[in-house]
Amino acid sequence: DSGVTQTPKHLITATGQRVTLRCSPRSGDLSVYWYQQSLDQGLQFLIQYYNGEERAKGNILERFSAQQFPDLHSELNLSSLELGDSALYFCASSVEASGGTQYFGPGTRLLVL
Amino acid sequence: DAKTTQPPSMDCAEGRAANLPCNHSTISGNEYVYWYRQIHSQGPQYIIHGLKNNETNEMASLIITEDRKSSTLILPHATLRDTAVYYCIGKGSGNTGKLIFGQGTTLQVKP
Repeated sequence: DSGVTQTPKHLITATGQRVTLRCSPRSGDLSVYWYQQSLDQGLQFLIQYYNGEERAKGNILERFSAQQFPDLHSELNLSSLELGDSALYFCASSVEASGGTQYFGPGTRLLVL
Repeated sequence: DAKTTQPPSMDCAEGRAANLPCNHSTISGNEYVYWYRQIHSQGPQYIIHGLKNNETNEMASLIITEDRKSSTLILPHATLRDTAVYYCIGKGSGNTGKLIFGQGTTLQVKP
């Protein structure tokens, strides 16, 4: 158990819909990261927040957005969903903003039909 | 961050040491080498990291060559539960902790 929690574990939805994925970091960690893992793209960094502020952006689509709240939990919002958005979405956390030692949650498996 | 190259797959007999190589010939002086693994579709798990000295923890040992162009992750007594994809990642000390994952090495531990 990494101490990072993600909800829901599984999500099935239809194209065009909007979903919200939630992540609670380990106690004391200020950084939250979101990664997407699809079969053809591997693990891809999406976005990082540090203490409530956006810190880095990766290959995140404009239809996707995220935020980190004052209690440090984070949400990833995915809208206008397409079939290709079906993937595993992982959240990770670290103490520092540049920390390479990250603890990953169990992931949310999203299936868009 | 440095580009890393790993063999796509390796086999290891249960109980034997598993030695996973990684080439990172373009690594710069302040970049660390990180190792993670992912068992089936679980979240990646941090294993170990190092800069230039060899490192050991309860999970593994990391041997970095003197020129820092390559490294080897050693699992001293592999078990079936060590079957996973192992990722070697070069990461600098910039202002972000983002990790760039490659394709990794699929390690199959066989009985």
